[in-house]
Amino acid sequence: NAGVTQTPKFQVLKTGQSMTLQCAQDMNHNSMYWYRQDPGMGLRLIYYSASEGTTDKGEVPNGYNVSRLNKREFSLRLESAAPSQTSVYFCASRDGTSGRNEQYFGPGTRLTVT
Amino acid sequence: SQQGEEDPQALSIQEGENATMNCSYKTSINNLQWYRQNSGRGLVHLILIRSNEREKHSGRLRVTLDTSKKSSSLLITASRAADTASYFCATTEVQGAQKLVFGQGTRLTINP
Repeated sequence: NAGVTQTPKFQVLKTGQSMTLQCAQDMNHNSMYWYRQDPGMGLRLIYYSASEGTTDKGEVPNGYNVSRLNKREFSLRLESAAPSQTSVYFCASRDGTSGRNEQYFGPGTRLTVT
Repeated sequence: SQQGEEDPQALSIQEGENATMNCSYKTSINNLQWYRQNSGRGLVHLILIRSNEREKHSGRLRVTLDTSKKSSSLLITASRAADTASYFCATTEVQGAQKLVFGQGTRLTINP
């Protein structure tokens, strides 16, 4: 049981390049989330998927798109990377059916945009 | 804007002492959660307290919630070097989807 996995762990992009961050969970959770964390800050929600087939914007969605590919996988795409998107990106999942509201986090992807 | 404000931003104590961190929030909440983040790692859930609860314990952790003051505290008793980490509070609002809104965190250092 790997929990929440993210790939890649590190990535360097040039301004204007695109990339997709991958996230998968093996806990059969319904909800999945993408956050970014900037130095000295808490996490800010980019997008979330309350259940398979649905996605919604969070606090900072501009410049990103997401796809809930199936129940296990939730990807985050940067179409045209900007230096302001340099951050650490975390994916998380939540059961949501048992009344338990805690989220389980992946190890993060450290992205640098030059 | 972020919901929670944490205090202090950084705390350094000796091993064996107790550590207290505080969190304030702005809107009505469904529940409040505390997470730990070790340097360079993902967040780990510690404890959840619902809006109708006032105090909760889990091992060496004690969380209180005062909804009238919109504040919570996390107490770690008999601290250990392994408790060195950043601690974040996160709230879930009453209305809408179960989204977490995080505070900026308290960086705790336990000195041996």
